[in-house]
Amino acid sequence: NAGVTQTPKFRILKIGQSMTLQCTQDMNHNYMYWYRQDPGMGLKLIYYSVGAGITDKGEVPNGYNVSRSTTEDFPLRLELAAPSQTSVYFCASSLYRVGETQYFGPGTRLLVL
Amino acid sequence: AQKVTQAQTEISVVEKEDVTLDCVYETRDTTYYLFWYKQPPSGELVFLIRRNSFDEQNEISGRYSWNFQKSTSSFNFTITASQVVDSAVYFCALSVLGEETSGSRLTFGEGTQLTVNP
Repeated sequence: NAGVTQTPKFRILKIGQSMTLQCTQDMNHNYMYWYRQDPGMGLKLIYYSVGAGITDKGEVPNGYNVSRSTTEDFPLRLELAAPSQTSVYFCASSLYRVGETQYFGPGTRLLVL
Repeated sequence: AQKVTQAQTEISVVEKEDVTLDCVYETRDTTYYLFWYKQPPSGELVFLIRRNSFDEQNEISGRYSWNFQKSTSSFNFTITASQVVDSAVYFCALSVLGEETSGSRLTFGEGTQLTVNP
């Protein structure tokens, strides 16, 4: 099992550009999450999904969009990149919801200039 | 609202010393779960332990041990005989049963940077 995989590992964007961060899990987990980690800080939840076709906002959703057409994939879309979105983005998944361990991907480092 | 506080921003020890990382949490829920994750310099997040609010037994796993005390809302993490490979940022996190609308997000502390010097 690969677990949770994320692509790309690193990306530089110009202000106003768009991109999609990819996330795939092969553990047949129902729940998937996107977090961002700013320097020296803990992680904050951007969006989450409880299953294919169902998504909802987390703590810091502004400037992002998500979709979940399959159990395995949960892409995160940045429409108009801003310097404030410079961060490390982590995708995670868990089998069920509360209390289940969330397993994290390796992260995507994004720099917006 | 939930909150996790890791008051120690940075800790530096010499190899073989014991070190304790503090974690204090706040929640009004009676059912909740606590986690510790390790983030080595390579950047990934590695799961270390999960504990529910009804299980206050301390846990030991090799050189790692965890002390959960509901009376003080703390879930501290001790590394015995630290090694250079233990150098990492350690995060404490909280998930509560009542957060149906938030999809069970993990509320993270800001992390403690542990440096173990040879």
